[in-house]
Amino acid sequence: QLQLQESGPGLVKPSETLSLTCTVSGASISRNTYYWAWIRQSPGKGLEWIGSIYYSGSAYYNPSLRSRVTISVDTSKNQFSLRLSSVTVADTAVYYCARPAVPAAIFHGMDVWGQGTTVTVSS
Amino acid sequence: QSALTQPASVSGSPGQSISISCTGSSRDIGAYNYVSWYQQHPGKAPKLMIFAVSNRPSGVSDRFSGSKSGNTASLTISGLQADDEADYYCSSYTGTMTFGVFGGGTKLTVL
Repeated sequence: QLQLQESGPGLVKPSETLSLTCTVSGASISRNTYYWAWIRQSPGKGLEWIGSIYYSGSAYYNPSLRSRVTISVDTSKNQFSLRLSSVTVADTAVYYCARPAVPAAIFHGMDVWGQGTTVTVSS
Repeated sequence: QSALTQPASVSGSPGQSISISCTGSSRDIGAYNYVSWYQQHPGKAPKLMIFAVSNRPSGVSDRFSGSKSGNTASLTISGLQADDEADYYCSSYTGTMTFGVFGGGTKLTVL
C-alpha cells in the first residue's frame, strides 16, 4: 500500500529556507509514471499547489512561487524534497506531499496524501 | 490565478441530498474535464472523492457524484450521513502555464 510521509523542521525563521522531504513507501518512485506533488494549506489561502516532479527530475511549479521553489527527487532513497527560500510569515502552513490518481498528470485528483507537516515561520 | 469560487457553507439533514457548486472560468473548469473534489475532516489530510469531473476512486461511496456545466462544477451528496460533515474543496487543471487551482472550500454541516 502506497504511503507518503513528510519530514522536516516545524519552525523556520523569516528570510531562511524551508526544507521538507517526502518519503515514499509501498512503491518505487523510479518505476512509476507518476508526478509527485507538494501542496500546502494555510488558514488565509486554503489549499495551494506548490509544484510537482517526475522521477526523471522534470519539475513544474506554481508561477506565484516559482522564483523561490525547488523540488528535487532522490530515487535511491525513494524520496522527493521541497525547498522554499526567503520565507515569510505568509508561508506558514501545513505542507502535504501527494500523488495524483492518474499517471503522467502534473495536476490532477490527488488520491494519496501524506499526513501533513506544520511549518511555522517565526523569529 | 484566482481560486475557484465555492459557497462558504451548506447544510442538510440526514438522508437529504445537497449540492456544492464550484465556479471557475473558461480558462479552467470550462476548458478541461479535470475537476476534482476533496473531503477534509478537521486535522486530517484531504481525501479524493471525485476526479475527472465525475469519476469516483475505488472505495468512495456512490452517494458522492460529480458533474459539470459550462464553467461550473458540482458535487452532489445523497443520503446525507453524520460523517459527511466536513470541508469540501474543488480543484481544476488550468493548462500548461499555471497547471491548477483550488476552490476556497465549503463547510458542510449535517443538521
